[in-house]
This record gives sequence, structure tokens and C-alpha cells, in this order.
Amino acid sequence: QVQLVESGGGVVQPGGSLRLSCAASEFTFNSTAMYWVRQAPGKGLEWVAFIKYDGSSRYYADSVKGRFTISRDNSKNTLYLQMNSLRGEDTAVYHCAKDGWGSWYFDVWGRGTLVTVSS
Amino acid sequence: QSALPQPASVSGSPGQSITISCTGTRSDVGSSNSVSWYQQHPGKAPKVIIYDVNKRPSGVSNRFSGSKSGNTASLTISGLQADDEADYYCSSYTDSDSWVFGGGTKLTVL
Repeated sequence: QVQLVESGGGVVQPGGSLRLSCAASEFTFNSTAMYWVRQAPGKGLEWVAFIKYDGSSRYYADSVKGRFTISRDNSKNTLYLQMNSLRGEDTAVYHCAKDGWGSWYFDVWGRGTLVTVSS
Repeated sequence: QSALPQPASVSGSPGQSITISCTGTRSDVGSSNSVSWYQQHPGKAPKVIIYDVNKRPSGVSNRFSGSKSGNTASLTISGLQADDEADYYCSSYTDSDSWVFGGGTKLTVL
């Protein structure tokens, strides 16, 4: 069955950087668009970033534009999120999700990895 | 973009039906067929229950249904069961190549 497993979370100081990874399996990763979605503790869901199946299009939420970069390595079935200039408000569980066959919805989600920005 | 307004909480007794609304604008819900709904139990990852306004993924109970009228999307759960108690979020693709979620609704089964 489709599986998405995030890693790379942890505690980082404000202004620091972190790179998240999402290992995908049991679906055709190189034909599937992918997302990052985050959820701050006790809060709702927030879309963070999108990348097309071949990396040719990438979109970002205004809250992370210019600081975060989404990328993928189709040879490794892995999605990434490079996070720079981190702020306290970036503290959240970060989930990767696969697109639902071009219908622009979050079809399957990983369990997430917690990022805590604190001094 | 701000979260789409949803009622903070709804409740119902087992067997009853409830409806959760999601109020958008012409730039998102009103102009998009890519409206979806997610169920999230505490400590778990969200799970899609409705996509493309009113389609159910394989394996999702037909007690869940979705609809849209103008700028407002709705999720109806019929025949409430104890396991339906969870948080529910709407989401819409927007006309600026972005996605927006609703603020979330906590469903309590009395």
C-alpha cells in the first residue's frame, strides 16, 4: 500500500535551517505531484508547498515564500523541504502528501515530522 | 490566504445527520471543482473523505457526502457513529495556484 514517511524534524534555533525528507513507496512517484502541509500544535492544517511530478512547477504559501524550497529526487522516490530563516511560527508537524491523480487534493498523507523552532 | 471559515464545533447523537459548512470566495471554493474534505482523529494524519466536491475515495463510507453551492461547500455525515468523532477540514484549490484549508470543525458524537 502507498506509504509516505517523513524524517528530518527536530529542534532548531530561530534563524536556523533544516531539511525534511519524505520517502515514498508503492506508487509511481515520478508521475505524481506532491505537497507539504503543516499543522502547528493544537491548530489547523496549512498548505506549505507543491511540486509537479517532474519538478517543473513549484508553488509556495505566502508565509514561507523565499524561505522554503520544495524539491524532489525521482531516482530516489524522495521529496524534500529545505527550510531556511526559521521562525517560531514555523513550529509544526510537517506532513508530506501525494496528489490525487491531478485533481489537486491531498490523497495520502504521511504521519509527519515535528519541527520546533526555539532558542 | 486566511483559512476558510468553518463552524468551530458541531455535535449530534448516534444515527442523526450533521452538516459542516465551509465558506469561501469566488477565488477558491466558488471557482474550483477541487474542493475536498479531510477527517483527522487525535494524534493521527488527516484522511481524505471527499474530493472533487462530491466524490468519495474507495473505502470511504457512503454516509459521507459533499456538495457545493456558490462559494460555500458542505459536508454531510448521515447515520452518525461514535468513530465519526474527529476534526474535519475542508480544502480548496485557488485561482492563484495555491491551496487553502478551512479552520477545522470538531465533531462530537453525543
